[in-house]
Amino acid sequence: AQSVAQPEDQVNVAEGNPLTVKCTYSVSGNPYLFWYVQYPNRGLQFLLKYITGDNLVKGSYGFEAEFNKSQTSFHLKKPSALVSDSALYFCAVRDPNTGGFKTIFGAGTRLFVKA
Amino acid sequence: GAGVSQSPSNKVTEKGKDVELRCDPISGHTALYWYRQSLGQGLEFLIYFQGNSAPDKSGLPSDRFSAERTGGSVSTLTIQRTQQEDSAVYLCASALAGLNEQFFGPGTRLTVL
Repeated sequence: AQSVAQPEDQVNVAEGNPLTVKCTYSVSGNPYLFWYVQYPNRGLQFLLKYITGDNLVKGSYGFEAEFNKSQTSFHLKKPSALVSDSALYFCAVRDPNTGGFKTIFGAGTRLFVKA
Repeated sequence: GAGVSQSPSNKVTEKGKDVELRCDPISGHTALYWYRQSLGQGLEFLIYFQGNSAPDKSGLPSDRFSAERTGGSVSTLTIQRTQQEDSAVYLCASALAGLNEQFFGPGTRLTVL
């Protein structure tokens, strides 16, 4: 069965500094990986995905993530954080070989960007 | 176009009562998901529907929970004999199968007194 872990409950970063939100996964086959963001009092929004191809994927709002098969990781990154990036971030994994369309979400990481 | 809509936005019920939560997916989306998000917690997968295939019910926490999707569109999540631990935000999402990313509704906040 697929699973995903976000080891940090919270990440604090100063505005203008680079940010990383960590995600590791476990699947039996090749994973489909996703990042979603939940802003305060707003619904969940898709940020980016890795399905196949280049390991570095770029998404909305200047975010990117790197798929690392050997480390089974898919960390979310941004070169320069903004206060408006403060939100709850979820990593998600799907194993199309065994799980069909079932998608498992991590527990979430709360990002605080301080001005 | 219209996004995913859910109703009601808030539901307060008494322990032991049944509740129905509704989800209207984006038109043409073949996949529909239900999740539960407890306060400050992650998303717990409940069930998904994909086209005419049998739904994956593996995330439903007990037989008090059930869901239907009529005509490949609207879905209803039913919780029978609600318990206080059922209190959470119930999120619905839909997706075009080929694109994989999910579009979420605003959720229904369920409070069981």
